[in-house]
Amino acid sequence: AQKVTQAQTEISVVEKEDVTLDCVYETRDTTYYLFWYKQPPSGELVFLIRRNSFDEQNEISGRYSWNFQKSTSSFNFTITASQVVDSAVYFCALSEWGSSNTGKLIFGQGTTLQVKP
Amino acid sequence: GAGVSQSPSNKVTEKGKDVELRCDPISGHTALYWYRQSLGQGLEFLIYFQGNSAPDKSGLPSDRFSAERTGGSVSTLTIQRTQQEDSAVYLCASRGLNTEAFFGQGTRLTVV
Repeated sequence: AQKVTQAQTEISVVEKEDVTLDCVYETRDTTYYLFWYKQPPSGELVFLIRRNSFDEQNEISGRYSWNFQKSTSSFNFTITASQVVDSAVYFCALSEWGSSNTGKLIFGQGTTLQVKP
Repeated sequence: GAGVSQSPSNKVTEKGKDVELRCDPISGHTALYWYRQSLGQGLEFLIYFQGNSAPDKSGLPSDRFSAERTGGSVSTLTIQRTQQEDSAVYLCASRGLNTEAFFGQGTRLTVV
């Protein structure tokens, strides 16, 4: 069975601090996708990143970076120099990949990040 | 439209009534999904449509829930005889070939 665990329910930081959101996943598939989505107060899920299981290179996009480690089944997300606008709920998700790929997302429970000025 | 559009944005209904939630996906996206977001259960998959194939209904919680997708575009999620535990935000998403899923802003359903 597939499962995504985000152990941190809520994180509170002060603006300009760095913060890492943890994500651990379980799957029996050898090929899969991992995602991070942001949900601001408006409610819409905003796509941040998609990685496939063959690509373990870390990725950086501005203040955002992602660390994918297959050995520990983790896909952690770091925000550098956090800003108040980063306050949101962040979801990590997993989907299958292959001939039966439906793209169904299995979500973690989400981490609520509060960045205080 | 530019994004996934859902209506209504909010719906309050009395227990036992039927409700219909609508989703307009991004033009050209062949895959459409419904998810439910509730406090106790997080984000759960409900149903998946892909082109003209039979939908994957494996996530529907009971036979009171059904969904249609007409003409490969607009989808309607219907909940019959609503119960208080159906109160949640219902999110629709669409996906093109080899792209990520794009989500709408959701319909907040409150059953009183």
